[in-house]
Amino acid sequence: DSGVTQTPKHLITATGQRVTLRCSPRSGDLSVYWYQQSLDQGLQFLIQYYNGEERAKGNILERFSAQQFPDLHSELNLSSLELGDSALYFCASSGQEHGYTFGSGTRLTVV
Amino acid sequence: EDQVTQSPEALRLQEGESSSLNCSYTVSGLRGLFWYRQDPGKGPEFLFTLYSAGEEKEKERLKATLTKKESFLHITAPKPEDSATYLCAVHSGNTPLVFGKGTRLSVIA
Repeated sequence: DSGVTQTPKHLITATGQRVTLRCSPRSGDLSVYWYQQSLDQGLQFLIQYYNGEERAKGNILERFSAQQFPDLHSELNLSSLELGDSALYFCASSGQEHGYTFGSGTRLTVV
Repeated sequence: EDQVTQSPEALRLQEGESSSLNCSYTVSGLRGLFWYRQDPGKGPEFLFTLYSAGEEKEKERLKATLTKKESFLHITAPKPEDSATYLCAVHSGNTPLVFGKGTRLSVIA
């Protein structure tokens, strides 16, 4: 157990739908990062939050949004889903020397 | 823009056959280079952080080294349980980690 908790582990939904992925960071970590991993693209940075505020944005689609709540958990919202959004979505929280600590991911399948 | 290129994409080794994985990077001001291990369907697991050229770190059969342009992950006498995808990532400035696409390692008994 890495200390970063992601739910759900698996999600199957239809095109056009909206889903919410949840992440609880490791105790004491203020930063949360969201990454998307597909077979051909590797790990792609989506967005970072630090203590409730958006800190950095990657190649995140306008259909995607995120937020971090006062208890530091974060949610990634994906809407108007397309087949190409099928991927593994990882959340990570930052440590010191150890870089990022990753959760076990949510596997999203859009059918 | 920070870039990370890993080679080879895939590597198949016999048990006990030592080899090296390469990570070439282009960054403006390296703050750290990270190696992760990822098993299928799981999140990346931290292995090493290297901060400056010449630095080396070891853990069991793995040894990571760093130059100004690349890093190597040396695997000595690998075992089947070392089979995984090995990811390299760089941290520069205030930007989040940028990852390479990884090297998929298979160790055959």
